[in-house]
Formats: sequence, C-alpha cells, structure tokens
Amino acid sequence: DIQMTQSPSTLSASVGDRVTITCRASQSISIWLAWYQQKPGKAPKLLIYAASTLQTAVPSRFSGSGSGAEFTLTISSLQPDDSATYYCQHYSSHYPEFGQGTKVEVK
Amino acid sequence: EMQLVESGGTSVQPGGSLRISCAASGFPFSNYWMSWVRQAPGKGLVWVSRIYNDGSSTTYADSVKGRFTISRDNAKNTLYLQMNTLRVEDTAVYFCARVIVPTIPPPEGYMDVWGTGTTVIVSS
Repeated sequence: DIQMTQSPSTLSASVGDRVTITCRASQSISIWLAWYQQKPGKAPKLLIYAASTLQTAVPSRFSGSGSGAEFTLTISSLQPDDSATYYCQHYSSHYPEFGQGTKVEVK
Repeated sequence: EMQLVESGGTSVQPGGSLRISCAASGFPFSNYWMSWVRQAPGKGLVWVSRIYNDGSSTTYADSVKGRFTISRDNAKNTLYLQMNTLRVEDTAVYFCARVIVPTIPPPEGYMDVWGTGTTVIVSS
C-alpha cells in the first residue's frame, strides 16, 4: 500500500502569512493527489484535485503543486476562516490513503 | 443542490452488526462511484470502502475486509454499509462521499461531495 506522510502536523501562522503544507507518498503517484479541508464537527471539503487543479468555488489563495511523490498545498495569504485541518489523499491505487492531517491555527 | 445524508448510526456492542445508509439527492446517483470514509474521535480520515456506479466492483480497507459490505440501490438513490463483527476500534463518524474518477483513470478517484456523517459507537 502507498503511505502518505504530511508535514508539519500542526502549524500556527498569522493572518496574511504564506503557509505551505507538504505531503509525501511512499512511491510515485503521478499527479493523483487531492487536498481536503476539514473544520471541527464538519465534513471534509475538497480543495484541490490532480495535485494542482482548484475545485470550483475554492478561493484562489489556495494552490497545489507537485508530482511523483512530493506535493505541497500553499495558502498564499492566510485568512481567519482557514483555521482547519488539511488532509492529502492519493488515488493512485485501489487503497486511496489519506495523510495524517495538518492542523492550521490562525493567530 | 447535491446532497448526501447518512443515517443509522447508533451504539452497538462488540461483535454486533449494524447497517448505515446514505441517501443521495441532486445528482444522478447511478452515474457515480461512491465511498465510505470514517473518522475516529480526535483522529484523521480513513478510507473504508468504494463501490462502482453499477455495483459491479467493490474494494475495502484491510481493517474492515471480510466484516463490512458496501452496497447500493440505484433505484432508491441510496448507499449502504453493512458492518458485522464490530470492534471497539470501529467507533467513528462514518461519512459517505461521491467519487470522481479522472478521464484517464487511475484505479480510484477523489471525493467531491460529502455527507455530514453518522456516528457509530461500539462499546460494551
């Protein structure tokens, strides 16, 4: 099975900061990676698919990059509403694993 | 509006069985693969199972293989998860989600519409 590892596990940043979350796969997954945002008590929300394609209606401050085994999610200017946990998920094999999550706190 | 609404979650004893459901509306349910994802209290997301749009193929995480069965009734726009031989570690919020498979497909897809979840507690 392909394992997904996110870093950092938590981060704290100020409004307006540029924030980057990294997701590494245990083997190449091409571009078959999605990013989700989840707020406490809520369902996950799709942000990005195919590593860099922004889902409809997602603010443009979110962007994704990478291919192969290393990927990043970037928030260009952190907003208070971005306080959440972010998960990557590969869909390159029949067992689409999630990363362990990155909790983002907005100071 | 596209919507998924889970139901059927409750408390059950270890070794027991439970079937949870997910009612879909606002999109042609029979055209889409569907998945179940769970989240234990305070933990991350864990993919559980996936079913093709016509029910012809299913896959399961190793942790539930042989105990859980995913199925669907396209006439009722409803997805199901039959859970048998439940364990304490199956305690979680269970989400259903619509799966989008790329045009040039990898084996699986990403999930673009999610339900709000139903809570399953396995405890004696």
